[in-house]
Amino acid sequence: QVQLVQSGAEVKKPGASVKVSCKASGYAFTSYGISWLRQAPGQGLEWVGWISAYNGNTYYAQKVQGRVTMTTDTSTSTVYMELRSLRSEDTAVYYCARDIIAGRIPFDYWGQGTLVTVSS
Amino acid sequence: DIQMTQSPSTLSVSVGDRVTITCRASQSVSSWLAWYQQKPGKAPKLLVYMASSLESGVPSRFSGSGSGTEFTLTISSLQPDDFATYYCQQYNSYSRTFGQGTKVEIK
Repeated sequence: QVQLVQSGAEVKKPGASVKVSCKASGYAFTSYGISWLRQAPGQGLEWVGWISAYNGNTYYAQKVQGRVTMTTDTSTSTVYMELRSLRSEDTAVYYCARDIIAGRIPFDYWGQGTLVTVSS
Repeated sequence: DIQMTQSPSTLSVSVGDRVTITCRASQSVSSWLAWYQQKPGKAPKLLVYMASSLESGVPSRFSGSGSGTEFTLTISSLQPDDFATYYCQQYNSYSRTFGQGTKVEIK
């Protein structure tokens, strides 16, 4: 069965960086991409960016452009999202979700979420 | 970016009620529209994709319709398990955007 398993909760100080992982299993990893999304406490869903597991191509939301980097490790079927220069407004649950750009079915499988808290 | 606007923000309903949630896009997204259900502390669950296609395993009381800029999610007879927050999401462009959510609560 398809599974996306994310790394554990993180607490960071403003200005620091965080790297969250998402390990995929149960499907052909390089046939799909992964989107990262986040949800601030009590708020709605926000798309952060997407990476192709096939060739590493990326698209990032304008809001985080320049502070985010997404990478893949095909040997372990793992996707990483690094967010730098953290601010309090980056505090959120971060989700990874399976996604294909121009595919018919978006976000059909999700990770369990990783809480990132930015606090001094 | 394409803006998505959902209405209403909150719905107070009873078990057995018919529920309709509307989603409007700031520009045409054709049929590249999905609906998700989210319960507290859980990841969202895909319900509908391509505006009207039901995801595998989703009960048939859920249905989606619309195209272009106007979309609707309908729950024909609300069940106790359906109290949750619902989001629409466009994927016409690589920059995916969500509506602000509609919370369906017990009247």
